[in-house]
Amino acid sequence: DIQMTQSPSFLSAPIGDGVTISCRASQSIATSVSWYQQRPGKAPNLLIYGASTLQSGVPSRFSGSGSGTDFTLIISTLQLEDFATYYCQQNYGVPYTFGQGTKLEIK
Amino acid sequence: QLQLQESGPGLVKPSETLSLTCTVSGGSISGGNYYWDWIRQSPGKGLEWIGNIHHNGATYYNPSLHSRVTMSVDTSKNQFSLRLTSVTAADSAVYSCARHIAGKNWFDPWGHGTLVTVSS
Repeated sequence: DIQMTQSPSFLSAPIGDGVTISCRASQSIATSVSWYQQRPGKAPNLLIYGASTLQSGVPSRFSGSGSGTDFTLIISTLQLEDFATYYCQQNYGVPYTFGQGTKLEIK
Repeated sequence: QLQLQESGPGLVKPSETLSLTCTVSGGSISGGNYYWDWIRQSPGKGLEWIGNIHHNGATYYNPSLHSRVTMSVDTSKNQFSLRLTSVTAADSAVYSCARHIAGKNWFDPWGHGTLVTVSS
């Protein structure tokens, strides 16, 4: 299985700041990474696919980059609704696997 | 707008079979080249992909669960189902259904999820 290692596990930042979340794959997976946002008690919501393509309706303050084994999710200018848990997922091969999550809290 | 809704027992006894159904609304389960997935989430294991099924019946299962998982689809009811046999406490989780486009392999949308607890 391809392991996805996210960092950090917890992140604290004030509204208006920018943050970066990283995800490392245990093998090269081209750009086969998706990012999801999960608010408490809600289902995960697709933000980005193909490492950098923004899903329709997702604000442009979200961006993704990377290829091979290292990937990044950037949120610029944090809004109140962005405080949630974020997951990366590799869709390179079966079984599809997820990172362990990064919980973003308000500072 | 496509919506998915999980249903099934919230409590299952150890060694018994967990059975869940996902009802699709706002679109046809047979319309398009989609796979219909089951994913579970627990504090101990995080998000774990269980497997998926195509409306033609083709299935792909996570090898870690392969021997205990069966998925089926009922196109007349616009539903697909999950059966997980010989459950233990480690199978306690929130179970969610989701969709992905064939060849794209990212999940959108997801159902809200249903909590299943394995306990006697």
